Amino acid sequence: GAGVSQTPSNKVTEKGKYVELRCDPISGHTALYWYRQSLGQGPEFLIYFQGTGAADDSGLPNDRFFAVRPEGSVSTLKIQRTERGDSAVYLCASSSRRSVLGGNEQFFGPGTRLTVL
Amino acid sequence: SQKIEQNSEALNIQEGKTATLTCNYTNYSPAYLQWYRQDPGRGPVFLLLIRENEKEKRKERLKVTFDTTLKQSLFHITASQPADSATYLCALDDGGSQGNLIFGKGTKLSVKP
Repeated sequence: GAGVSQTPSNKVTEKGKYVELRCDPISGHTALYWYRQSLGQGPEFLIYFQGTGAADDSGLPNDRFFAVRPEGSVSTLKIQRTERGDSAVYLCASSSRRSVLGGNEQFFGPGTRLTVL
Repeated sequence: SQKIEQNSEALNIQEGKTATLTCNYTNYSPAYLQWYRQDPGRGPVFLLLIRENEKEKRKERLKVTFDTTLKQSLFHITASQPADSATYLCALDDGGSQGNLIFGKGTKLSVKP
């Protein structure tokens, strides 16, 4: 597609439920990032994929959070036993492979607004 | 601990004036610094990237400076327009193989006609 897409755009769930958030990156982009953004804050890094593998998951807050990218394209962020504190906008970004010069720009999707009641 | 601060949560200026936004960081040595624009309900959109060995970079009405001694970047919008109203985020990139960004909280710019 022309840009990064994320589904659903909004998700309301009850405390304790399981949710999946999907990200479709720009075609050909090998790097994929998940961020979380709370109101009034900047995006906070969660996890980074290079191809199919999670190269850095140091930003995941705890083991309730998990993400996959089985074919190196679409990624799914999975949250188990949701808590009210998980409410935020979850942003996905993609980027082409980092060049020798580095500093690749990231292309963000519109985000999924998750509300845990 | 690493810290990144943007000078103010909100900045109000008159149309036609120059907006100057500040990004300061501590306990960090970024190889690159990026600026993004974010509109309500949207994801951030990349504007400019500046490398640690560059002092200044320009793109149309935008100018970014990067002072690694002061640990500060300034972002300028000249001849500002109401359409420039948005939140502007600075982000640090250490240049490692991962490429994940560390974002500031952002500054909400309002340009009044």
